[in-house]
Amino acid sequence: NAGVTQTPKFRILKIGQSMTLQCTQDMNHNYMYWYRQDPGMGLKLIYYSVGAGITDKGEVPNGYNVSRSTTEDFPLRLELAAPSQTSVYFCASSGGVTNEKLFFGSGTQLSVL
Amino acid sequence: GIQVEQSPPDLILQEGANSTLRCNFSDSVNNLQWFHQNPWGQLINLFYIPSGTKQNGRLSATTVATERYSLLYISSSQTTDSGVYFCAVERRSNYQLIWGAGTKLIIKP
Repeated sequence: NAGVTQTPKFRILKIGQSMTLQCTQDMNHNYMYWYRQDPGMGLKLIYYSVGAGITDKGEVPNGYNVSRSTTEDFPLRLELAAPSQTSVYFCASSGGVTNEKLFFGSGTQLSVL
Repeated sequence: GIQVEQSPPDLILQEGANSTLRCNFSDSVNNLQWFHQNPWGQLINLFYIPSGTKQNGRLSATTVATERYSLLYISSSQTTDSGVYFCAVERRSNYQLIWGAGTKLIIKP
């Protein structure tokens, strides 16, 4: 049972480059989330989705885009990477009630230089 | 917006000790959760506890929603309890989770 799978685990980008962080879950969860975690801080919500075809902004959406074409996949797109986007990114999912019993991926460490 | 404050920020204990971690929040919320992030970065949900008390083995949590705080108790600490403990509250207006800055716990053998 894989749970929530994120790729890649590490990535270094140059300023202005773009990339997509992949997230897949195999638990048939409706709710999926992207968070970022800056050093010494808690997580901040970037985008979330309540089901295929439905996405919405979280606390810190600027500089990011998402799509949800299937229940399983929720990729996060960074356009024109900036040093302020250096962070650890976590994808999460939950079934049933919003936020209840969140399952997290292992994270992506992203550095923008 | 809602403020979530956790204390203490850091805690160093010997194996076998007990500890109490606190989470204060500044407004009414839908629910509160506790998470553990291990030293390798993996996040695990510990408790979903909008009010009352729950127990899971050596861990228990109590939320007093009317007084806007929650406590996480860890008894008979083990080295595997090391890591950062976060509380997060669900904002009533948009159901989004707001996270505290965490308590970093180090358990020495």
